[in-house]
Amino acid sequence: SSELTQDPAVSVALGQTVRITCQGDSLRSYYASWYQQKPGQAPVLVIYGKNNRPSGIPDRFSGSRSGSTASFTITGAQAEDEAAYYCKSRDSSGNLGVFGGGTKLTVL
Amino acid sequence: EVQLVQSGAEVKKPGESLRISCKGSGYSFSSYWVAWVRQMPGQGLEWMGIIYPGDSDTRYSPSFQGRVTISADKSISTAYLQWNSLKASDTAMYYCARRLDPSGSYYGYWGQGTLVTVSS
Repeated sequence: SSELTQDPAVSVALGQTVRITCQGDSLRSYYASWYQQKPGQAPVLVIYGKNNRPSGIPDRFSGSRSGSTASFTITGAQAEDEAAYYCKSRDSSGNLGVFGGGTKLTVL
Repeated sequence: EVQLVQSGAEVKKPGESLRISCKGSGYSFSSYWVAWVRQMPGQGLEWMGIIYPGDSDTRYSPSFQGRVTISADKSISTAYLQWNSLKASDTAMYYCARRLDPSGSYYGYWGQGTLVTVSS
């Protein structure tokens, strides 16, 4: 399967921990990358590979994988983390890309 | 500094053709895959396809194969996304994106987006 499935919406209280998941068969073979998108802005890479953060990305962001599920965790969510988050990986052939449907994170 | 600068917003009629562009700077344009991503109004990101400017190796999502053409001109460090006959359903924001490093399939650099509006 080349599909990646995410919950459409998740909420978290300010300062608490939240995990966003991404499910897909291809994740057994390939790592997911995670992107944050705020309204009116281009996506920003926040996690890639096993658990890597690009320069400038806060260390409260982390990633992991177990079987066919990739997870993105924010430890101590901040108001500025309110955004849509997308996972992305390869399809089962490894030649094409695929995005999850996205998760809208609300920080309460 | 790596930059991807996309062409400006377009308003077109159904059936018209269109080519939008993505100009890379601050790196060896030929050496990094460039992807195109669609975002329809209020919707999520969709991976359309990817091109390696060095040899023009191009791959398309089955959802977009035959509907768009991805190309690149490495002499001017520019990638393109082209339609021969636009439909109203092509109305969307289109992003180009470059891999963070040559081998990984994650996009560390994004263009600012090109808004395409197709309306009669």
